[in-house]
Amino acid sequence: SAVISQKPSRDICQRGTSLTIQCQVDSQVTMMFWYRQQPGQSLTLIATANQGSEATYESGFVIDKFPISRPNLTFSTLTVSNMSPEDSSIYLCSAGESPEKLFFGSGTQLSVL
Amino acid sequence: SQQGEEDPQALSIQEGENATMNCSYKTSINNLQWYRQNSGRGLVHLILIRSNEREKHSGRLRVTLDTSKKSSSLLITASRAADTASYFCATVEDSSYKLIFGSGTRLLVRP
Repeated sequence: SAVISQKPSRDICQRGTSLTIQCQVDSQVTMMFWYRQQPGQSLTLIATANQGSEATYESGFVIDKFPISRPNLTFSTLTVSNMSPEDSSIYLCSAGESPEKLFFGSGTQLSVL
Repeated sequence: SQQGEEDPQALSIQEGENATMNCSYKTSINNLQWYRQNSGRGLVHLILIRSNEREKHSGRLRVTLDTSKKSSSLLITASRAADTASYFCATVEDSSYKLIFGSGTRLLVRP
């Protein structure tokens, strides 16, 4: 199993600013993903974080808005750029060796005023 | 994008009763998984069923899969107040590595 630490756990930000969320895994993993969960909704995949190369974004998500880094096999960051109130969501990091069993961080609750 | 829909969207039952949640999906899948989320935060993996399996058990959980109907169900027997949570199905499509979630069911178990 993998233990995933996500920071910050919550934040309140002003519109127009950016927030970087960190995801640290306690072991090397092949796969890392970022999800968004809007209030009362399900999880939507934002992107696959690729080690040493550009992330692979899902339809509706772009690098300029959600830049992602993954410098090694245990760490990734997601930045929410130029925030607006519509970006208020929970952002979750997940990681694992296989999509058959992914582990999730406890999420970052973001509120944009 | 979301893979499919779950029903009911919300379910309220008395402790001791059984809870059944259904999930439908759209594409050909490799496997289907169920996750639990407490208080809108981190998810916990409950059970996985492969596309060539029809039923699987784990403790008080029973999962069925009908690939001809592209649907799955999760049964929680003898529910407890601690089972109160949101439950999501998630699928991995054939030839994919991505886990795509359904819309979820909010379960309330009344003591």
